[in-house]
Amino acid sequence: DGGITQSPKYLFRKEGQNVTLSCEQNLNHDAMYWYRQDPGQGLRLIYYSQIVNDFQKGDIAEGYSVSREKKESFPLTVTSAQKNPTAFYLCASSGGLAGAPSTDTQYFGPGTRLTVL
Amino acid sequence: AQSVAQPEDQVNVAEGNPLTVKCTYSVSGNPYLFWYVQYPNRGLQFLLKYITGDNLVKGSYGFEAEFNKSQTSFHLKKPSALVSDSALYFCAVRLNAGNNRKLIWGLGTSLAVNP
Repeated sequence: DGGITQSPKYLFRKEGQNVTLSCEQNLNHDAMYWYRQDPGQGLRLIYYSQIVNDFQKGDIAEGYSVSREKKESFPLTVTSAQKNPTAFYLCASSGGLAGAPSTDTQYFGPGTRLTVL
Repeated sequence: AQSVAQPEDQVNVAEGNPLTVKCTYSVSGNPYLFWYVQYPNRGLQFLLKYITGDNLVKGSYGFEAEFNKSQTSFHLKKPSALVSDSALYFCAVRLNAGNNRKLIWGLGTSLAVNP
């Protein structure tokens, strides 16, 4: 899992509550990503950020929000607007010069399993 | 539409036998290709990637993959499977265009190596 940490490992929340998942990296990477993983659906991109103070929506951004105030941190908030938030959430980073192929490998954190009761 | 296909949901192989996990892609240009492995309740681990050059790429844990441009394939292989190779394997493609670092992911193939 390299230099990417996610916390907590397991998270339980009641319906209607917002929750924030933490992702920190010490790899000096510019780009960070949030994915959602559901059984049989592979990885789906929620949000990504290619540089500090900038981020873009991925394929399933509705009901989620992010911030990128520091290079090493990319927290994800799952809001009450997300209709089915129970899933395994994965954070990744890739780094260095934008567009350089040698830096394109994404490295993943250990994941957070969110269960909404 | 640009896509990555892993045509087998599950692959079963006996320990010691060679294994192949298939991946084909449909993207424009010359893509970068990746393989990752995921053990239960863990994040993905990078195995190998193809950027350019030799079509046979060697990676971690004895895995290798062969890039075939004419067949638009990037199959993952290992000469002798271990029980510990049992996991979920993902193929991914990055478009070689501009600064967009998004990956297109396959749905994954579950590999079971039987003792």
